[in-house]
Amino acid sequence: GQQLNQSPQSMFIQEGEDVSMNCTSSSIFNTWLWYKQDPGEGPVLLIALYKAGELTSNGRLTAQFGITRKDSFLNISASIPSDVGIYFCAGFGGTNAGKSTFGDGTTLTVKP
Amino acid sequence: GAVVSQHPSRVICKSGTSVKIECRSLDFQATTMFWYRQFPKQSLMLMATSNEGSKATYEQGVEKDKFLINHASLTLSTLTVTSAHPEDSSFYICSAPGGAGTQYFGPGTRLLVL
Repeated sequence: GQQLNQSPQSMFIQEGEDVSMNCTSSSIFNTWLWYKQDPGEGPVLLIALYKAGELTSNGRLTAQFGITRKDSFLNISASIPSDVGIYFCAGFGGTNAGKSTFGDGTTLTVKP
Repeated sequence: GAVVSQHPSRVICKSGTSVKIECRSLDFQATTMFWYRQFPKQSLMLMATSNEGSKATYEQGVEKDKFLINHASLTLSTLTVTSAHPEDSSFYICSAPGGAGTQYFGPGTRLLVL
């Protein structure tokens, strides 16, 4: 089945620094999604991307849908302690019709 | 916004017993819901797709007799872990489609089988 390669696996940064993470796939998706999961909670949608090349922002978060439709990145600017959590990318609309394929997640730790 | 709830939030049970987890869409109807399993520091693994009024669709390798799914109404899906064993201990999360490929996730249920 389809697989997503998400990197980095984890990041340790200082408060105020910018963060970048990305996902790549060997197959194309029609939609790229980014979720954040706090410890002991379910994931929450951050950004949804629907068109190749699309660049979308949500506050300090910016994500892009790669031109090839096989990759996406998420940037977080000026990180704050509450950014701590696990960030998952997900692809939708590929060969797994009707289901999302999730990356393995990027665990973000922000030091005050 | 749309909210999905799960009950219970955590459960501890003895090996061999069955545990039922409920997933509800609170302010919208969901003809489809998804059930995921998540081990510590790992990604979400889709177990099955719950379909209102019809049988659930299970992912490869997921035992349908072990993980019984019932989608009784447009706002409720249940997952029953039958004859639970310690290896079934995990974090179970349900979700409902939010349109255009998005999902609204429940808060999860932590299951510990002793």
